[in-house]
Amino acid sequence: EVQLVESGGGLVQPGGSLRLSCAASGFTFSKSWMHWVRQTPGKGLVWISGIEHDGSPTVYADSVRGRFTVSRDNAQNTLYLQVDSLRAEDTAVYYCTTEEGADWGQGTRVTVSS
Amino acid sequence: QAGLTQPPSVSKDLRQTATLTCTGNSNNVGNQGATWVQQHPGHPPKLLSYRNHSRPSGISERFSASRSGNTASLTITGLQPEDEADYYCSAWDSSLSGWVFGGGTKLTVL
Repeated sequence: EVQLVESGGGLVQPGGSLRLSCAASGFTFSKSWMHWVRQTPGKGLVWISGIEHDGSPTVYADSVRGRFTVSRDNAQNTLYLQVDSLRAEDTAVYYCTTEEGADWGQGTRVTVSS
Repeated sequence: QAGLTQPPSVSKDLRQTATLTCTGNSNNVGNQGATWVQQHPGHPPKLLSYRNHSRPSGISERFSASRSGNTASLTITGLQPEDEADYYCSAWDSSLSGWVFGGGTKLTVL
Protein backbone atom coordinates (compact mmCIF):
# COMPACT_ATOMS: atom_id res chain seq x y z
CA GLU A 1 0.00 0.00 0.00
CA VAL A 2 1.34 3.40 -1.00
CA GLN A 3 1.80 5.79 1.91
CA LEU A 4 2.85 9.42 1.77
CA VAL A 5 3.25 11.25 5.07
CA GLU A 6 3.94 14.98 5.05
CA SER A 7 5.39 16.88 7.98
CA GLY A 8 7.13 20.14 8.80
CA GLY A 9 4.27 22.59 8.49
CA GLY A 10 3.39 25.17 11.09
CA LEU A 11 2.92 28.84 11.90
CA VAL A 12 5.65 31.10 10.57
CA GLN A 13 6.06 34.85 10.26
CA PRO A 14 6.21 36.57 6.87
CA GLY A 15 9.70 36.27 5.47
CA GLY A 16 10.33 33.08 7.41
CA SER A 17 11.27 29.60 6.26
CA LEU A 18 10.19 26.00 6.72
CA ARG A 19 11.33 22.63 5.45
CA LEU A 20 8.51 20.32 4.50
CA SER A 21 9.11 16.57 4.28
CA CYS A 22 7.21 13.71 2.67
CA ALA A 23 8.07 10.18 3.76
CA ALA A 24 7.15 7.65 1.08
CA SER A 25 6.59 3.90 1.27
CA GLY A 26 4.86 1.10 -0.60
CA PHE A 27 6.27 1.86 -4.05
CA THR A 28 9.62 2.33 -5.78
CA PHE A 29 10.24 5.94 -4.74
CA SER A 30 13.58 6.12 -6.55
CA LYS A 31 11.87 5.55 -9.90
CA SER A 32 9.05 8.06 -9.49
CA TRP A 33 8.49 11.68 -10.38
CA MET A 34 7.20 13.43 -7.27
CA HIS A 35 5.27 16.67 -6.91
CA TRP A 36 4.12 19.22 -4.36
CA VAL A 37 0.61 20.63 -4.67
CA ARG A 38 -0.98 23.14 -2.33
CA GLN A 39 -4.52 24.13 -1.48
CA THR A 40 -5.49 27.44 0.02
CA PRO A 41 -8.37 27.17 2.53
CA GLY A 42 -11.63 26.84 0.62
CA LYS A 43 -9.91 27.05 -2.74
CA GLY A 44 -8.63 24.69 -5.42
CA LEU A 45 -5.50 22.64 -5.97
CA VAL A 46 -2.41 24.37 -7.31
CA TRP A 47 0.72 22.59 -8.46
CA ILE A 48 3.88 24.22 -7.19
CA SER A 49 6.85 21.94 -7.87
CA GLY A 50 8.04 18.63 -9.27
CA ILE A 51 11.23 16.60 -9.31
CA GLU A 52 12.38 13.78 -11.56
CA HIS A 53 13.22 10.39 -10.06
CA ASP A 54 16.95 11.05 -9.85
CA GLY A 55 16.69 14.66 -8.67
CA SER A 56 16.92 16.41 -12.02
CA PRO A 57 15.21 18.20 -13.50
CA THR A 58 13.26 20.20 -10.97
CA VAL A 59 10.35 22.36 -12.08
CA TYR A 60 8.42 25.14 -10.36
CA ALA A 61 5.33 27.25 -10.73
CA ASP A 62 6.02 30.91 -11.41
CA SER A 63 4.52 31.88 -8.04
CA VAL A 64 7.22 30.05 -6.06
CA ARG A 65 10.25 29.93 -8.36
CA GLY A 66 13.27 31.40 -6.62
CA ARG A 67 11.70 31.04 -3.13
CA PHE A 68 10.97 27.29 -2.91
CA THR A 69 13.42 24.45 -3.52
CA VAL A 70 12.42 20.84 -4.07
CA SER A 71 14.81 17.97 -3.38
CA ARG A 72 14.77 14.28 -2.56
CA ASP A 73 16.75 11.60 -0.77
CA ASN A 74 16.13 8.31 -2.54
CA ALA A 75 18.09 6.41 0.11
CA GLN A 76 15.63 7.65 2.73
CA ASN A 77 12.56 7.57 0.44
CA THR A 78 11.88 11.17 1.35
CA LEU A 79 10.82 14.23 -0.63
CA TYR A 80 11.53 17.73 0.62
CA LEU A 81 10.36 21.26 -0.04
CA GLN A 82 12.39 24.13 1.37
CA VAL A 83 10.10 27.14 1.52
CA ASP A 84 11.78 30.51 2.03
CA SER A 85 10.68 34.17 1.99
CA LEU A 86 7.19 33.09 2.95
CA ARG A 87 4.25 35.36 2.25
CA ALA A 88 0.69 35.43 3.55
CA GLU A 89 -0.50 34.03 0.24
CA ASP A 90 1.62 30.91 0.80
CA THR A 91 -0.77 29.90 3.59
CA ALA A 92 -2.15 26.55 2.48
CA VAL A 93 -2.19 22.81 2.98
CA TYR A 94 0.78 21.31 1.17
CA TYR A 95 0.40 17.84 -0.32
CA CYS A 96 3.02 15.58 -1.83
CA THR A 97 1.82 13.38 -4.64
CA THR A 98 3.11 10.83 -7.08
CA GLU A 99 3.12 11.13 -10.84
CA GLU A 100 -0.32 11.89 -12.31
CA GLY A 101 -1.65 12.36 -8.81
CA ALA A 102 -2.08 8.64 -8.31
CA ASP A 103 -1.43 8.88 -4.59
CA TRP A 104 -1.65 11.75 -2.10
CA GLY A 105 -0.57 12.33 1.45
CA GLN A 106 -2.80 13.85 4.13
CA GLY A 107 -1.06 17.18 3.76
CA THR A 108 0.78 19.50 6.10
CA ARG A 109 -0.60 22.94 6.96
CA VAL A 110 1.51 26.06 6.58
CA THR A 111 0.22 29.32 8.05
CA VAL A 112 2.10 32.53 7.36
CA SER A 113 1.06 35.24 9.77
CA SER A 114 2.55 37.79 12.10
CA GLN B 1 0.35 29.87 -14.71
CA ALA B 2 -2.75 29.45 -16.87
CA GLY B 3 -5.04 26.74 -15.61
CA LEU B 4 -7.69 24.49 -17.06
CA THR B 5 -11.33 25.61 -17.18
CA GLN B 6 -14.03 23.76 -15.27
CA PRO B 7 -17.59 24.85 -14.46
CA PRO B 8 -17.69 25.90 -10.79
CA SER B 9 -20.75 23.81 -9.98
CA VAL B 10 -23.02 21.08 -11.33
CA SER B 11 -26.23 19.81 -9.73
CA LYS B 12 -27.93 16.56 -10.65
CA ASP B 13 -30.59 14.31 -9.19
CA LEU B 14 -29.87 11.06 -7.40
CA ARG B 15 -29.33 8.14 -9.79
CA GLN B 16 -28.94 10.47 -12.77
CA THR B 17 -25.80 10.99 -14.86
CA ALA B 18 -23.41 13.93 -14.51
CA THR B 19 -20.80 14.92 -17.07
CA LEU B 20 -18.08 17.26 -15.88
CA THR B 21 -15.94 19.08 -18.41
CA CYS B 22 -12.40 20.40 -18.40
CA THR B 23 -11.07 22.63 -21.18
CA GLY B 24 -7.41 23.28 -21.86
CA ASN B 25 -5.33 23.72 -24.97
CA SER B 26 -3.05 21.82 -27.32
CA ASN B 27 -0.14 22.07 -24.88
CA ASN B 28 -1.89 20.28 -22.04
CA VAL B 29 -5.21 18.43 -22.36
CA GLY B 30 -5.01 18.16 -26.14
CA ASN B 31 -1.50 16.76 -26.02
CA GLN B 32 -1.06 14.96 -22.71
CA GLY B 33 -4.59 14.06 -21.70
CA ALA B 34 -6.09 14.85 -18.30
CA THR B 35 -6.36 13.13 -14.95
CA TRP B 36 -9.31 13.49 -12.59
CA VAL B 37 -9.38 13.52 -8.81
CA GLN B 38 -12.24 13.65 -6.33
CA GLN B 39 -11.98 15.52 -3.05
CA HIS B 40 -14.39 15.40 -0.12
CA PRO B 41 -14.20 18.24 2.45
CA GLY B 42 -11.36 17.78 4.88
CA HIS B 43 -9.80 14.93 2.91
CA PRO B 44 -6.96 14.71 0.42
CA PRO B 45 -7.73 14.22 -3.26
CA LYS B 46 -8.27 10.72 -4.63
CA LEU B 47 -7.43 9.73 -8.20
CA LEU B 48 -10.41 8.66 -10.30
CA SER B 49 -8.84 8.41 -13.75
CA TYR B 50 -5.37 8.38 -15.24
CA ARG B 51 -4.73 10.46 -18.36
CA ASN B 52 -5.10 7.33 -20.50
CA HIS B 53 -8.65 7.06 -19.12
CA SER B 54 -7.96 3.95 -17.09
CA ARG B 55 -9.27 3.76 -13.53
CA PRO B 56 -7.12 2.95 -10.52
CA SER B 57 -7.95 -0.21 -8.66
CA GLY B 58 -11.00 0.21 -6.44
CA ILE B 59 -12.62 3.02 -8.41
CA SER B 60 -16.19 2.29 -9.42
CA GLU B 61 -17.07 1.66 -13.06
CA ARG B 62 -19.62 4.44 -12.64
CA PHE B 63 -16.74 6.85 -13.23
CA SER B 64 -15.47 7.09 -16.80
CA ALA B 65 -13.23 9.61 -18.51
CA SER B 66 -12.85 10.66 -22.11
CA ARG B 67 -11.33 13.39 -24.25
CA SER B 68 -12.24 15.22 -27.43
CA GLY B 69 -9.64 17.63 -28.69
CA ASN B 70 -8.72 20.05 -25.92
CA THR B 71 -11.65 19.12 -23.69
CA ALA B 72 -11.65 16.27 -21.20
CA SER B 73 -14.80 14.89 -19.61
CA LEU B 74 -15.66 12.84 -16.55
CA THR B 75 -18.99 11.03 -16.62
CA ILE B 76 -20.52 9.71 -13.42
CA THR B 77 -23.51 7.41 -13.85
CA GLY B 78 -26.09 6.38 -11.25
CA LEU B 79 -25.27 9.30 -8.96
CA GLN B 80 -25.05 8.44 -5.28
CA PRO B 81 -25.02 10.74 -2.23
CA GLU B 82 -21.33 9.95 -1.67
CA ASP B 83 -20.49 11.33 -5.11
CA GLU B 84 -21.17 14.83 -3.80
CA ALA B 85 -17.66 16.30 -3.75
CA ASP B 86 -15.25 18.57 -5.56
CA TYR B 87 -13.75 17.26 -8.79
CA TYR B 88 -10.51 18.53 -10.28
CA CYS B 89 -8.92 17.84 -13.64
CA SER B 90 -5.22 18.28 -14.27
CA ALA B 91 -2.72 17.87 -17.06
CA TRP B 92 0.97 18.29 -17.73
CA ASP B 93 1.59 21.43 -19.79
CA SER B 94 4.50 20.98 -22.17
CA SER B 95 4.90 24.70 -22.84
CA LEU B 96 4.98 25.63 -19.16
CA SER B 97 6.88 22.50 -18.11
CA GLY B 98 4.47 22.30 -15.24
CA TRP B 99 1.32 20.61 -14.05
CA VAL B 100 -1.87 22.66 -14.38
CA PHE B 101 -5.14 22.12 -12.54
CA GLY B 102 -8.67 23.21 -13.23
CA GLY B 103 -10.44 25.37 -10.69
CA GLY B 104 -12.61 22.43 -9.67
CA THR B 105 -16.30 21.59 -10.02
CA LYS B 106 -18.51 21.19 -6.97
CA LEU B 107 -20.96 18.40 -7.70
CA THR B 108 -24.22 18.48 -5.77
CA VAL B 109 -26.44 15.40 -5.76
CA LEU B 110 -30.05 16.43 -5.19
